[in-house]
Amino acid sequence: DGGITQSPKYLFRKEGQNVTLSCEQNLNHDAMYWYRQDPGQGLRLIYYSQIVNDFQKGDIAEGYSVSREKKESFPLTVTSAQKNPTAFYLCASSIQGAEQYFGPGTRLTVT
Amino acid sequence: GIQVEQSPPDLILQEGANSTLRCNFSDSVNNLQWFHQNPWGQLINLFYIPSGTKQNGRLSATTVATERYSLLYISSSQTTDSGVYFCAVGGNYGQNFVFGPGTRLSVLP
Repeated sequence: DGGITQSPKYLFRKEGQNVTLSCEQNLNHDAMYWYRQDPGQGLRLIYYSQIVNDFQKGDIAEGYSVSREKKESFPLTVTSAQKNPTAFYLCASSIQGAEQYFGPGTRLTVT
Repeated sequence: GIQVEQSPPDLILQEGANSTLRCNFSDSVNNLQWFHQNPWGQLINLFYIPSGTKQNGRLSATTVATERYSLLYISSSQTTDSGVYFCAVGGNYGQNFVFGPGTRLSVLP
């Protein structure tokens, strides 16, 4: 089955801890993206990567970090520097300049 | 950067009614998509439509790239159509995808 997987579906952390969200795709897409969605709001781009070992900041990169060591994987780390980390996080992938496909998302709650 | 607007922000319909959702964007783009976000948060691809017209069952979409807008038509709406509809533009090499704020649709039985 081709697609994008994100794990875990729900994640709970204490304030001050770093947490890493997983995103894996087997669609052979070059480009991968991380978005954040707050309740009742649209999606905002955190980071994107158009090729292995390269990534670019999106509109709200502060407090987040990423890596792209393999084409299939694009993990996102929410660091303790992110002031309001509680949100719904969505990962997507695409062929360059073409249709995006989304994973099911991870709901992160930090208390 | 590109600005994306969607209208209306909220829409309430009776089951069986038709509706038109609009997406305006501020610059030329080579990539436009419509999504439906279901109550569990999953974004479902509806159309990849940088230009022209497409139809899929009760849904159809038209993008007029030269005038920088796209329309999503929903006919004979059903309660399962409820949710938030987003358009997203951009995404070419070196260009971010930008999402609009969404239209929240509620279809009443």
